[in-house]
Amino acid sequence: GNSVTQMEGPVTLSEEAFLTINCTYTATGYPSLFWYVQYPGEGLQLLLKATKADDKGSNKGFEATYRKETTSFHLEKGSVQVSDSAVYFCALSAVDGNQFYFGTGTSLTVIP
Amino acid sequence: SAVISQKPSRDICQRGTSLTIQCQVDSQVTMMFWYRQQPGQSLTLIATANQGSEATYESGFVIDKFPISRPNLTFSTLTVSNMSPEDSSIYLCSVGRGVGDTQYFGPGTRLTVL
Repeated sequence: GNSVTQMEGPVTLSEEAFLTINCTYTATGYPSLFWYVQYPGEGLQLLLKATKADDKGSNKGFEATYRKETTSFHLEKGSVQVSDSAVYFCALSAVDGNQFYFGTGTSLTVIP
Repeated sequence: SAVISQKPSRDICQRGTSLTIQCQVDSQVTMMFWYRQQPGQSLTLIATANQGSEATYESGFVIDKFPISRPNLTFSTLTVSNMSPEDSSIYLCSVGRGVGDTQYFGPGTRLTVL
């Protein structure tokens, strides 16, 4: 079946630190992969996506590369800011239907 | 992308009552979905709202508890019926255009049941 396994949180970093949030998936075929961000009190916003192997999604300094060989889509940012404090969700869109599968979410807090 | 609004943004309800949540999209979309996000948890798909036919429910969710309407391609409602404190969650609608496509989310409705 389809599933997403995401690094457990919470994660606390100092401003300007390097961020990695691990995400691995199980799926049939070649799903599309996504990272969503949820700021406190808000809904989910699309952060970035990749639709095929070796694609790199990027936005607002965040990057993630679709690795078919390791079934991974790790989120990275070189220098985090306080405003990046949020919950990050990894998700996949299955090729055998319209359903999205979400990871459990990783809470990130960036301290000055 | 799509701009999605939800009403109400939050509500506090009494046990045994029902609440209807509205989702409005600024353009016609093929797929609309309803999710539940329990406190501190990830998202769980409740159902796919189908225009002109009955919604498709996921395992563990039933129409009697979560009736859904979708009268056209830009609007849907989710009703949470006979509420209990366990229904306290954020309810989100999302839209997409097909398999593999991005889903865009509304801001959510924060429901507290006393």
